[in-house]
Amino acid sequence: GAVVSQHPSWVICKSGTSVKIECRSLDFQATTMFWYRQFPKQSLMLMATSNEGSKATYEQGVEKDKFLINHASLTLSTLTVTSAHPEDSSFYICSASSWDRSSYNEQFFGPGTRLTVL
Amino acid sequence: KQEVTQIPAALSVPEGENLVLNCSFTDSAIYNLQWFRQDPGKGLTSLLLIQSSQREQTSGRLNASLDKSSGRSTLYIAASQPGDSATYLCAVSDTGNQFYFGTGTSLTVIP
Repeated sequence: GAVVSQHPSWVICKSGTSVKIECRSLDFQATTMFWYRQFPKQSLMLMATSNEGSKATYEQGVEKDKFLINHASLTLSTLTVTSAHPEDSSFYICSASSWDRSSYNEQFFGPGTRLTVL
Repeated sequence: KQEVTQIPAALSVPEGENLVLNCSFTDSAIYNLQWFRQDPGKGLTSLLLIQSSQREQTSGRLNASLDKSSGRSTLYIAASQPGDSATYLCAVSDTGNQFYFGTGTSLTVIP
């Protein structure tokens, strides 16, 4: 199957700092990438959808100025958590899809990034 | 808005048993449905994808069925093994490329 990587796999930062998380599709070009957040013992919540070369579409309740998403190429999307606070601590997962890679609108998920804000 | 529910929330079975996990969704206008496995602290592993025009998919000991009209899907695991212990998530996608995840079923297979 298609491979999606995330970097870093875990990060600890101080409150008020910014953290950037990268999501890469390694063996296919992803026309669309998705960012999810998962709190302990809860399911995934979609934060935003991004298409290459255009602005991300954020879900209701997600602050676009706090969670900056850039999808500058067909293989890379980044999520920057600006001025992070302890309540932003969570597991962030990206996924990628491409109609060229799968005609079934299948999403391929990265391994996730554990963010802990002290 | 699409809502996806999974029952039961947690399940514990002895090794070797066959088991069924349930997923229901409120809007039948889906494009496809995927079942995933998630190990603690890890990302998602795709198990099976069923297109809206299909009724079931099989992979090894796993069989997933889809009844779009009633808004239900089941994941059948045959001859369960301790290595099957994980959280199982179902997700449905609409024609707009949006995915909606269920609440998950935490499975424990006891040796």
